[in-house]
Amino acid sequence: AQKVTQAQTEISVVEKEDVTLDCVYETRDTTYYLFWYKQPPSGELVFLIRRNSFDEQNEISGRYSWNFQKSTSSFNFTITASQVVDSAVYFCALKGIHGGSQGNLIFGKGTKLSVKP
Amino acid sequence: DTGVSQNPRHKITKRGQNVTFRCDPISEHNRLYWYRQTLGQGPEFLTYFQNEAQLEKSRLLSDRFSAERPKGSFSTLEIQRTEQGDSAMYLCASRSQVEEQYFGPGTRLTVT
Repeated sequence: AQKVTQAQTEISVVEKEDVTLDCVYETRDTTYYLFWYKQPPSGELVFLIRRNSFDEQNEISGRYSWNFQKSTSSFNFTITASQVVDSAVYFCALKGIHGGSQGNLIFGKGTKLSVKP
Repeated sequence: DTGVSQNPRHKITKRGQNVTFRCDPISEHNRLYWYRQTLGQGPEFLTYFQNEAQLEKSRLLSDRFSAERPKGSFSTLEIQRTEQGDSAMYLCASRSQVEEQYFGPGTRLTVT
């Protein structure tokens, strides 16, 4: 079975604080992909990043960074110097390659981030 | 191309009525997915098309649900005899050969 757990339901920070959103996943696949999506109040899911299971290098994109650790099955997302525009629900998702799946994403329940001025 | 589009954006219907939603994927994307998202939850997979072929259906997709992608371009999702439990956001996503899926703005269905 595949599963994504985002234990933090809601996080509230003050602008310019750093914040880390946790994501833990379960899969029996040896090859898989992990994703983060942002869902602002408008509702549209916005793709942020994709990582494959063979690439554990951390990635940085501007104020965003991602920490992928296979040993702990985690793919955490950090926003540095948060801004009000970062307020949204953030989803972590998993896609396995085997097991009959045609590539649909398994989403966590999301973490609602509120950044206050 | 401006991305995945979905119509209508909002739909209010009475229980027992049929509804149909449309998704227009990004033009060069041959793979199309439908998801359902309820309040406070992540999207849940419903069905998947590669070109015009429907290759996978979730157990969430009851007999009252049907999806088509007749020419491998746009897709429709129909719900027959709607129930209040069908109230949700219905999301469409598409992708090409790369793994990431690009989502449309969704259709919010309210069944009264």
